[in-house]
Amino acid sequence: GAVVSQHPSRVICKSGTSVKIECRSLDFQATTMFWYRQFPKQSLMLMATSNEGSKATYEQGVEKDKFLINHASLTLSTLTVTSAHPEDSSFYICSARGTGAEQYFGPGTRLTVT
Amino acid sequence: GQNIDQPTEMTATEGAIVQINCTYQTSGFNGLFWYQQHAGEAPTFLSYNVLDGLEEKGRFSSFLSRSKGYSYLLLKELQMKDSASYLCAALSGGYNKLIFGAGTRLAVHP
Repeated sequence: GAVVSQHPSRVICKSGTSVKIECRSLDFQATTMFWYRQFPKQSLMLMATSNEGSKATYEQGVEKDKFLINHASLTLSTLTVTSAHPEDSSFYICSARGTGAEQYFGPGTRLTVT
Repeated sequence: GQNIDQPTEMTATEGAIVQINCTYQTSGFNGLFWYQQHAGEAPTFLSYNVLDGLEEKGRFSSFLSRSKGYSYLLLKELQMKDSASYLCAALSGGYNKLIFGAGTRLAVHP
């Protein structure tokens, strides 16, 4: 149980375009979902926390107009990187939490902006 | 502020035991997680300690001392597949946030 999926697993896009990443909890209802970014050889940095039906809470330094988060249901959250630039190239990972403390991580999305 | 410290790299021999230490300073501390992450993959859950003491789970054990802001992950009978990054993460602000350390890259050699 407690499986989280992400789609796509890899995406290459051109500079200036937008990319949407989906995160789904497959066998549980996620009251909260989290979006992380990880650069090579670095740890996970929390970007934002989203609760179903409410606005996401962004961490300091993360532009909310650039990284749009929608948590429309208890099993789906989406992250849209708008007007992507090469410096946005990174590994984006979502996690989902049910009623307990543990967060279950998705497999990640490798974004490359050319 | 919030701070998680762990060694950057460690090496160990197959079959041996290795201990990865983690110290933390966070507000609203509500437990300590350890995750394993192989390159290019998402983290996988290893352990969660909320009370002081040792939790044993097969070859892996995790210890927590809340008064000292200290945890360690103990890996026994090391295997080559244990070569990975090990991430220490403190649960902060109730159940709301995981604050990750930079990770410890463990290399297991024959």
